Amino acid sequence: TQLLEQSPQFLSIQEGENLTVYCNSSSVFSSLQWYRQEPGEGPVLLVTVVTGGEVKKLKRLTFQFGDARKDSSLHITAAQPGDTGLYLCAGEIVEGTYKYIFGTGTRLKVLA
Amino acid sequence: KAGVTQTPRYLIKTRGQQVTLSCSPISGHRSVSWYQQTPGQGLQFLFEYFSETQRNKGNFPGRFSGRQFSNSRSEMNVSTLELGDSALYLCASSLGLAGGLTDTQYFGPGTRLTVL
Repeated sequence: TQLLEQSPQFLSIQEGENLTVYCNSSSVFSSLQWYRQEPGEGPVLLVTVVTGGEVKKLKRLTFQFGDARKDSSLHITAAQPGDTGLYLCAGEIVEGTYKYIFGTGTRLKVLA
Repeated sequence: KAGVTQTPRYLIKTRGQQVTLSCSPISGHRSVSWYQQTPGQGLQFLFEYFSETQRNKGNFPGRFSGRQFSNSRSEMNVSTLELGDSALYLCASSLGLAGGLTDTQYFGPGTRLTVL
């Protein structure tokens, strides 16, 4: 069974702090996405990475795809209360049967 | 541009019953994917429909089925409901041209199904 493990599961930090969320698997992904989900809503896409070693920045968020395309990280600089939510990574495996797997999720709370 | 809409938003059923959930994609989007989200298993891919045909399928039993209409609206059906089917069911629409994750998906707010 392919799994996407995210760590940490829960994170509570003060406004202004930095944090990193990790997404790891033993499987190789053809592409990987990060989403943020808020209560009562569906996930919203933050970024898609497709190339091993790729780094993408979205304002205070930095996303990195591992060289071997098995892992990814999301780094938030100077976190704000508006960053609070459930962060999900999702990977696509295209080897014979198509598989699309979501990570276990990281619930982030940023305190003012 | 209107977002993805799902109806109903909340549903309570009893074991053994069946249920049909509806998803209206963003105008112009031809792909609709369905997901199940539970606290224990997280978000799991059910299936994807593109141009009225199932294009991809996750690892769920045959009790879970879907279909897509010519206007791209999609329905998901779950027969013989079990307690474990209680979950938030999300649908996502995309243009469907590239396929896979490289095609940006827009999620609806979900239907919260409770099975008693």
